[in-house]
Amino acid sequence: DTGVSQNPRHKITKRGQNVTFRCDPISEHNRLYWYRQTLGQGPEFLTYFQNEAQLEKSRLLSDRFSAERPKGSFSTLEIQRTEQGDSAMYLCASSLIGTGTYEQYFGPGTRLTVT
Amino acid sequence: DQQVKQNSPSLSVQEGRISILNCDYTNSMFDYFLWYKKYPAEGPTFLISISSIKDKNEDGRFTVFLNKSAKHLSLHIVPSQPGDSAVYFCAASALTGANNLFFGTGTRLTVIP
Repeated sequence: DTGVSQNPRHKITKRGQNVTFRCDPISEHNRLYWYRQTLGQGPEFLTYFQNEAQLEKSRLLSDRFSAERPKGSFSTLEIQRTEQGDSAMYLCASSLIGTGTYEQYFGPGTRLTVT
Repeated sequence: DQQVKQNSPSLSVQEGRISILNCDYTNSMFDYFLWYKKYPAEGPTFLISISSIKDKNEDGRFTVFLNKSAKHLSLHIVPSQPGDSAVYFCAASALTGANNLFFGTGTRLTVIP
């Protein structure tokens, strides 16, 4: 069990550019979540997948954001036409639903800075 | 609309003493509660959880208490150690549907040697 991994760990981009982040969950986990954390706040839910199906999106997830989880394995989160307000830590978490446990395990995050 | 609140931004405790971190929630649909610990530049690390059918759960030095009528939970760390110094987040979820977590704003715990 290698835990949840995220790449890159840091990303600096200019306003208007597109960025893509990757998350590799714990291998047997069937749910994958994306959260965003800004300074002084707790993580906020963006979206989640059960296997390869994206089942819910938060209203925080504007049309510029898109997430995929092909084949129910790794996931990508893309932000198009980045804005300075997108600067945040993007966290991925995974969990195994159906076994009576509900804990989510987080990766180290990708810190995005939009200049 | 903050559904999970941690009203103490910081707490300092002497090594060996008890640390008590508090959390309040407003949504009565929440039925699962978790505590996470976070170091700088890392993701949150799961510590301990409790279901709404229980009022206490213990794991080593960590105990979580849940008071459903008051919509309040607390994390007790006994004895506190310098390595416990971190930001602690309380989180809550409803087990139906997305099961996404709602987090508080965190409490920074400093354990003084």
